[in-house]
Amino acid sequence: QVQLVQSGAEVKKSGASVKVSCKASGYTFTGYYMNWVRQAPGQGLEWMGWINPNSGDPNYAQKFQGRVTMTRDTSISTVYMELSRLRSDDTAVYYCARAIGDTAADALDIWGQGTMVTVSS
Amino acid sequence: DIQMTQSPSSLSASVGDRVTITCRASQTIGTYLNWYQQKPGKAPKLLIYAASNLQSGVPSGFSGSGSGTDFTLTISNLQPEDFATYYCQQSYSTPRTFGQGTKVEIK
Repeated sequence: QVQLVQSGAEVKKSGASVKVSCKASGYTFTGYYMNWVRQAPGQGLEWMGWINPNSGDPNYAQKFQGRVTMTRDTSISTVYMELSRLRSDDTAVYYCARAIGDTAADALDIWGQGTMVTVSS
Repeated sequence: DIQMTQSPSSLSASVGDRVTITCRASQTIGTYLNWYQQKPGKAPKLLIYAASNLQSGVPSGFSGSGSGTDFTLTISNLQPEDFATYYCQQSYSTPRTFGQGTKVEIK
């Protein structure tokens, strides 16, 4: 079945970096953009950016420019999201989510289970 | 950035009720509007894409409408499993943005 499986929870110190992985299965990995969305405790959803798994080209939200890097490894159908210079307000659940495509308004139809990242001082 | 505003932020309803949630975009987005449902501790689930298209596997009691700047999500016959938080999201431009969410609670 189509699924996205993310890496496990992380605890990091302020100023450190975290790298979250998202392994896709059950579909053609290079055929769909992969988005990253985060959710702080008790808060709403925040889009961080996407990566085109075919070309490797990313598109980052301005808010995260300079701190986020999205990459992919097509040999293992996995995308990565690395966030650097972590702050306490980066504490959140991070989700990867597949975009259907422009014909379906690029909706996010398959989501990973989420990865909790806790940043402590 | 396009701002998405949902109303209400929360509502209380009973099983069997008809519930309507609205979402307004700060500029026109055509029909590039999607709706998600999220239950506590779970990832969001796509309900409606492109304003009015029901995602495969989603019960027919969910429907979406609207275009331009004003959109609605309707749950026609609220079921116990529908108590959750609902988010709209625009996919017209980047950065993609979500509404703040509407929590549907049991009355």
